Order: sequence, then C-alpha cells, then structure tokens
Amino acid sequence: NAGVTQTPKFQVLKTGQSMTLQCAQDMNHEYMSWYRQDPGMGLRLIHYSVGAGITDQGEVPNGYNVSRSTTEDFPLRLLSAAPSQTSVYFCASTPFPYNEQFFGPGTRLTVL
Amino acid sequence: KNEVEQSPQNLTAQEGEFITINCSYSVGISALHWLQQHPGGGIVSLFMLSSGKKKHGRLIATINIQEKHSSLHITASHPRDSAVYICAADTGGFKTIFGAGTRLFVKA
Repeated sequence: NAGVTQTPKFQVLKTGQSMTLQCAQDMNHEYMSWYRQDPGMGLRLIHYSVGAGITDQGEVPNGYNVSRSTTEDFPLRLLSAAPSQTSVYFCASTPFPYNEQFFGPGTRLTVL
Repeated sequence: KNEVEQSPQNLTAQEGEFITINCSYSVGISALHWLQQHPGGGIVSLFMLSSGKKKHGRLIATINIQEKHSSLHITASHPRDSAVYICAADTGGFKTIFGAGTRLFVKA
C-alpha cells in the first residue's frame, strides 16, 4: 500500500495563479482532511471530508476549495494564490473519527 | 492562550538522556495524540490515548485527564530521535487542535 500520497512536493506560484494540490489514499478511509503548517503554529484544518460527496470547512477555509468525487481522492484547489498561502500543506486520512490519522508527505508551496 | 500548549519549544539533549515533553490542553477531549515529524517533513502517529499510559519501545506517553496534561517520555535517547514532536487534541465534531510542536535535537 502506498498510504497517503501528495503531489507535487514543491510548487512556486505567482500571486493570482490557481492550482490544485493532489491527495490520494489507498486504504479505503472515509475521512480525509487538508491541513496547513506555518512556522511556530500548529497544523490548522482547512477542509475535511467524511465520505465521497461530503465536504465541510475547517478552521481556515478561505481561498481554498475541495471536492470528493471518490473515496480515494481529495484535491485542494487554490483559487487565486496569495502570499499568505505560502505554507506546507498536509493531507491526512483516517478510517474513523478520533482515530490515528495517516499523513501524506506534504507539499511545500511558495506564493510570490 | 492556545488551547493546546507544549513545552519546551526546543530541547537539546545528550545521547542516552531521559527526555520529557509536556502538553497541556484547556478543552475537553475525546483523545490525545502524539505525533513525530522528521526533518524530511513526514508526520507519523506515535500514540493515541484517552487515559493512563502507553509504551512503545523507548517511548512512553501518559495522560492525566483531571489535570488536562500529557507527557511524552523518551528513554535512552538517540540521535535518530531528533525530530519535532507534536501533541494534538481530538475535541469532538471532527476537530483536532494541534500544538506548535517541540523541536528535539539529540547530540551524539
């Protein structure tokens, strides 16, 4: 099993550009989430999904969109990148709530 | 004040030392997690606990629900233990609050 995979590993964008961060898991987990990690701060939840077709906002959703058309995939879209979105992004999945989460390797995004 | 606070922020130890990292939280929890993030960036789960104590190899995690406090101990520390250790609280409603992490460096 590959676990949770994320692409790309690194990305540089210009302000105003859009892009999609990809996340996939092969463990048949219902629950998936996107976090961002900024220096000196804990991971913060952007969006999450409790199953295919169901998504909801987390703590810092502004500027991001998600969709969940399949159990495996949970892409995160940046609509119009801003320097404040420079961060490391982690995707995670878990089979149940309040359970161990499995994290992807992260995407380091820089917005100039 | 953050709802999940860790101390210390940074810790340097000599190989072989006993290490303690502390986590205090101010919210009601259903479970508390300890995670490890290596310099390469990957995050792995070490423990999930809701009461008492858990042990895995040289790592021990304890939690005191009444005092809203958890500790992660590393016995006989080794340079390969150098990483960021993160405490995270499951508060219910699919909300997990993460601490800012403790950066540990173990010198050979």
